[in-house]
Amino acid sequence: AQSVSQHNHHVILSEAASLELGCNYSYGGTVNLFWYVQYPGQHLQLLLKYFSGDPLVKGIKGFEAEFIKSKFSFNLRKPSVQWSDTAEYFCAVNAASGTYKYIFGTGTRLKVLA
Amino acid sequence: EAQVTQNPRYLITVTGKKLTVTCSQNMNHEYMSWYRQDPGLGLRQIYYSMNVEVTDKGDVPEGYKVSRKEKRNFPLILESPSPNQTSLYFCASNVRQGAYEQYFGPGTRLTVT
Repeated sequence: AQSVSQHNHHVILSEAASLELGCNYSYGGTVNLFWYVQYPGQHLQLLLKYFSGDPLVKGIKGFEAEFIKSKFSFNLRKPSVQWSDTAEYFCAVNAASGTYKYIFGTGTRLKVLA
Repeated sequence: EAQVTQNPRYLITVTGKKLTVTCSQNMNHEYMSWYRQDPGLGLRQIYYSMNVEVTDKGDVPEGYKVSRKEKRNFPLILESPSPNQTSLYFCASNVRQGAYEQYFGPGTRLTVT
């Protein structure tokens, strides 16, 4: 079955700490991968995406993610978090062709302490 | 301004009373989706539409209906709402299926008593 797993449900960090959020997927065939962020009281916004080429992709606000095909992973990283990064983060996947479904992970709530 | 709008933003209703949540986008996007967001479950796709008159089920379609008669609109219909449909609903659109950014609406918080 198609699925996306985010193993960290809640993460608490101090400002300037490094961040890595895990994302593993189970989806047959070639995929497109996304990270979305939802700030408190707001709707989801795209942080970054991967569909082909360089497996290390850079997004907005200093975030990056690495696609490791052999591990079916697409982990999100940021070298130094800020208080304003407090939000919920969602990993998502869809197929590069064929089915048109999107599958989202359950989300990771990040709290950054000032 | 490019946007996805949803109405109403908040709705409290009773079991069995039919309701419609509207969704409209002004970006001429082909692909539109409905999601529900529940604590601990993330976002789950209810229905999606690849274009006018083309819709298909997502992962949790039971109890919902959709229609796509115009490119810009994609209403979500609950014929007979039940308490387990209490949730936060998001509409989204993107240019077309593929590696394109989805643009999300502001959400509709539905409570069914």
